[in-house]
Amino acid sequence: GAVVSQHPSWVICKSGTSVKIECRSLDFQATTMFWYRQFPKQSLMLMATSNEGSKATYEQGVEKDKFLINHASLTLSTLTVTSAHPEDSSFYICSASRDPGNTIYFGEGSWLTVV
Amino acid sequence: AQKVTQAQTEISVVEKEDVTLDCVYETRDTTYYLFWYKQPPSGELVFLIRRNSFDEQNEISGRYSWNFQKSTSSFNFTITASQVVDSAVYFCALSDPYMYSGGGADGLTFGKGTHLIIQP
Repeated sequence: GAVVSQHPSWVICKSGTSVKIECRSLDFQATTMFWYRQFPKQSLMLMATSNEGSKATYEQGVEKDKFLINHASLTLSTLTVTSAHPEDSSFYICSASRDPGNTIYFGEGSWLTVV
Repeated sequence: AQKVTQAQTEISVVEKEDVTLDCVYETRDTTYYLFWYKQPPSGELVFLIRRNSFDEQNEISGRYSWNFQKSTSSFNFTITASQVVDSAVYFCALSDPYMYSGGGADGLTFGKGTHLIIQP
């Protein structure tokens, strides 16, 4: 079964609204989770590293004020897309590992469509 | 900076043919991991293999095999006797250089992916 779970699997929201995507590690604690974005027919791009109990680390070019990441517990990280616009429509996927260097588990991904 | 190149954007073969997906990587680190993932149309990433930089042995898993050549910085993936169910996008990825520092960083650098089409 899934080791890392994302919710929702897909979401449609209106332009200007905010949407939250959850990433949960189901049977292990993850001090670090990662968020990726994948535009249609393109590769996965690392957006940010989510650190439990501290600020997320964002990759160059990713707006931290637009993509809010909260890692309040060892099993949950959330990505909030604020003031979403149609260009934010994408596939968002998270990953986590039990320990650094061990198997990396990906969530099922979340399809976001902004209309 | 790290980089993963999958030069083949799309490959189309007839079922039962063998097919090799190429992956070339760049990194300044001597310690790293390489991965292959399969992404079917539904979007989820299916883990196929992880190989560390110190292990150059080729690996075979059923119809799948991997050829790691450190001298040419390549980690190619071969599917033998391909099947229609193998149709998907396949990604090669390289681990973050801090993966072994204990800092917890496991961010991956992905190639652009190869769309594999297996025709019946």
